[in-house]
Amino acid sequence: KQEVTQIPAALSVPEGENLVLNCSFTDSAIYNLQWFRQDPGKGLTSLLLIQSSQREQTSGRLNASLDKSSGRSTLYIAASQPGDSATYLCAVGDTGRRALTFGSGTRLQVQP
Amino acid sequence: GAGVSQSPSNKVTEKGKDVELRCDPISGHTALYWYRQSLGQGLEFLIYFQGNSAPDKSGLPSDRFSAERTGGSVSTLTIQRTQQEDSAVYLCASSFGVSGNTIYFGEGSWLTVV
Repeated sequence: KQEVTQIPAALSVPEGENLVLNCSFTDSAIYNLQWFRQDPGKGLTSLLLIQSSQREQTSGRLNASLDKSSGRSTLYIAASQPGDSATYLCAVGDTGRRALTFGSGTRLQVQP
Repeated sequence: GAGVSQSPSNKVTEKGKDVELRCDPISGHTALYWYRQSLGQGLEFLIYFQGNSAPDKSGLPSDRFSAERTGGSVSTLTIQRTQQEDSAVYLCASSFGVSGNTIYFGEGSWLTVV
């Protein structure tokens, strides 16, 4: 059974810092990995989607990498802003199962 | 519509009552998912629909939970004889196909069982 772990569970940084959020998964037989953002009381917004054949994806200040063999992904946020404050969720799509398996998330707070 | 639409956005119900939660996916999306998010917890998969295939119900926690998808579009999640532990946010998502496509989530239906 796939298990997804996100470290750290919570993070507080001053504005302007570059930061890295970590995601690990136990079964490397995945077809993709997605990073989502969730604001309090809201649904999830997809940030980046990495196919299993890819190593990384970039969107603006966000960069996500995928190392399938070691079961790890990182989300890099450059020059963090208070508006980046949210919970960031990592989810993997298993080849043997249709639905995504989610981690518990990293709650990020960027202090102005 | 422009996004995944869910209703009601909030529902307070008495223990033992039945509730229905509705999801209207993005037009043209063939895959539809229901997840549950309890307070402070991660997302728990409930059920998945893909086109006309039989749904994957492997995540439904008990036989009090059921879901249907009519005409390959709108879906209804029904919880019978609600219990307090059913209190959670129920999130619906849709995607075009299954593998390799971005999944789009609705805002969720917040269910409180009192």
